[in-house]
Amino acid sequence: RKEVEQDPGPFNVPEGATVAFNCTYSNSASQSFFWYRQDCRKEPKLLMSVYSSGNEDGRFTAQLNRASQYISLLIRDSKLSDSATYLCVVILTGGGNKLTFGTGTQLKVEL
Amino acid sequence: EPEVTQTPSHQVTQMGQEVILRCVPISNHLYFYWYRQILGQKVEFLVSFYNNEISEKSEIFDDQFSVERPDGSNFTLKIRSTKLEDSAMYFCASSELARVGEQYFGPGTRLTVT
Repeated sequence: RKEVEQDPGPFNVPEGATVAFNCTYSNSASQSFFWYRQDCRKEPKLLMSVYSSGNEDGRFTAQLNRASQYISLLIRDSKLSDSATYLCVVILTGGGNKLTFGTGTQLKVEL
Repeated sequence: EPEVTQTPSHQVTQMGQEVILRCVPISNHLYFYWYRQILGQKVEFLVSFYNNEISEKSEIFDDQFSVERPDGSNFTLKIRSTKLEDSAMYFCASSELARVGEQYFGPGTRLTVT
């Protein structure tokens, strides 16, 4: 079983839509969770950390469900500029500072 | 806004040659990392570096790889004898001591081994 699993997509949505991505992780002792964003042929960029109580940053909301071992990202009012690959990232307990990446979910926002 | 820089942006080398990839991390960051991404695959951790020594490395980071901080600003990744399967995008990253999960990535060096 992969350490971090994501639906690769692509998710094609119209501008203004709400879209949600899920991610599951295999190690129940994982300690830290993040969403990164990667544009085509570019570097990953931190989108937001994911906290146990859930957190929001503008149009983006992240949730963590430790019991089910999944993380979600909700994007409201999608913009064309949101088109990218969204990477679910975990730091495993005992994994030091090593980021463990999922393969990413591709989002395409269309007019 | 401070950023991580990497040179070169693209390196083409022949199998068996040595390559050195260079990075300048963000100046007040204390943790440095190398990751790689083979085309179409996920980002994979190679090594982390703190206080002038390797703090963790992956199975990929074998004896052919080494890292160095030769001065106060540069951080390098050396591949001693490149193989075809080393072809990938190599990303350098850095983070603050207290926020190690919030890593800032450079634009990457695309390494092509022929």
